[in-house]
Amino acid sequence: NAGVTQTPKFQVLKTGQSMTLQCAQDMNHEYMSWYRQDPGMGLRLIHYSVGAGITDQGEVPNGYNVSRSTTEDFPLRLLSAAPSQTSVYFCASGDGRSGANVLTFGAGSRLTVL
Amino acid sequence: GQNIDQPTEMTATEGAIVQVNCTYQTSGFNGLFWYQQHAGEAPTFLSYNVLDGLEEKGRFSSFLSRSKGYSYLLLKELQMKDSASYLCAVMDSNYQLIWGAGTKLIIKP
Repeated sequence: NAGVTQTPKFQVLKTGQSMTLQCAQDMNHEYMSWYRQDPGMGLRLIHYSVGAGITDQGEVPNGYNVSRSTTEDFPLRLLSAAPSQTSVYFCASGDGRSGANVLTFGAGSRLTVL
Repeated sequence: GQNIDQPTEMTATEGAIVQVNCTYQTSGFNGLFWYQQHAGEAPTFLSYNVLDGLEEKGRFSSFLSRSKGYSYLLLKELQMKDSASYLCAVMDSNYQLIWGAGTKLIIKP
């Protein structure tokens, strides 16, 4: 049981480049989300999805796109990378059927934008 | 606005007890979570409180007072492996999680 798998673990981009962070889960969770984590700040929600074909914006969606074509996959696209997007990104999934909706996180992707 | 406050850093001794506090001001309340995050790793779930009182789970306990907007995580019999950041998160009225910046706990021998 792999849980939540994120790739790549590390990535360096130049300003203006685009890239996709991949996220896959094998727990049949309906809820999936992307967070960024920056020093001294709490996790901030970028985008989330409550099921295949449904996505919504979180707190900091600008500069990012998502899609949810299957229950398992939830990729995050950076359209034109900026230094302000240097961060650690976490994908998380949850069993939304329970009120607690405990999240299972991927290992994280450390992105540096030069 | 919505706000979660936690101490930035705490230090404790192996074998001792430590209490990590969390205060919150959010639009609505649908539960409070504690997660543990070791350096360079992903957060992992520790506890969930939605009713007032103490929830005990092994060496870890979590307390909630909704009227005071306050929670704490109590760690007993501290071990070196408990050195980590502890994240407090509140689920608001829209069922969105609001996260604190985390408390870095340093355990000394």
